[in-house]
Amino acid sequence: SYELTQPPSVSVSLGQMARITCSGDTLPKQYAYWYQKKPGQVPVLVIYKDNERPSGIPERFSGSSSGTTVTLTISGVQAEDEADYYCLSADQSRAFLVFGGGTKLTVL
Amino acid sequence: QVQLVQSGAEVKKPGASVRVSCKASGYNFANYDINWVRQATGHGLEWMGWMNPNSGYTDYAQKFQGRVTMTRDISTDTAYMELSSLTSEDTAVYYCAREISANDRGWFDPWGQGTLVTVS
Repeated sequence: SYELTQPPSVSVSLGQMARITCSGDTLPKQYAYWYQKKPGQVPVLVIYKDNERPSGIPERFSGSSSGTTVTLTISGVQAEDEADYYCLSADQSRAFLVFGGGTKLTVL
Repeated sequence: QVQLVQSGAEVKKPGASVRVSCKASGYNFANYDINWVRQATGHGLEWMGWMNPNSGYTDYAQKFQGRVTMTRDISTDTAYMELSSLTSEDTAVYYCAREISANDRGWFDPWGQGTLVTVS
């Protein structure tokens, strides 16, 4: 079955830049979506179609794509950005979706 | 406003089935696919499958095939997810989510508030 691979954890100091990667064979052909998940809250979309930011999401959130890897970048990390982040994309058939394993972002 | 409201928490015994409902409002229910996602405590988000409310067509993640059924009631704008043969590993919060476009698989907005299913 199709898989997306994320690092389990990323730590960054307050105000610094955080980069979270997501790797998968079909990412060159399928868009990736990034969701922020905090305990007890509903997932929030922070990046869609690899690099588009929904309205209401701070400008410090950005996305990029290169080959089989997509990257979520948070510039000037704030304390409230501490959360789990998940990439989501479709397999080659587009019938099935898969989440990456999630990355826990810790703000030091 | 566009909203998905899910049914309340459930407690089930191992081997039983559970049905979670997801009532849509604020948009044409038939025009947007509904996806189901779950998160077990201490685990990540897990995509379970999707349904086209207009046709009733479904696709299920391989892990859940044979155990999950997604249906809808067009007259009440409600989607349902039924999971059978429950085990303790199915204890999780279950979410429904509207998919913005069939051409943009993975773009979910909004999400339901989540339904905790406890198997014990």
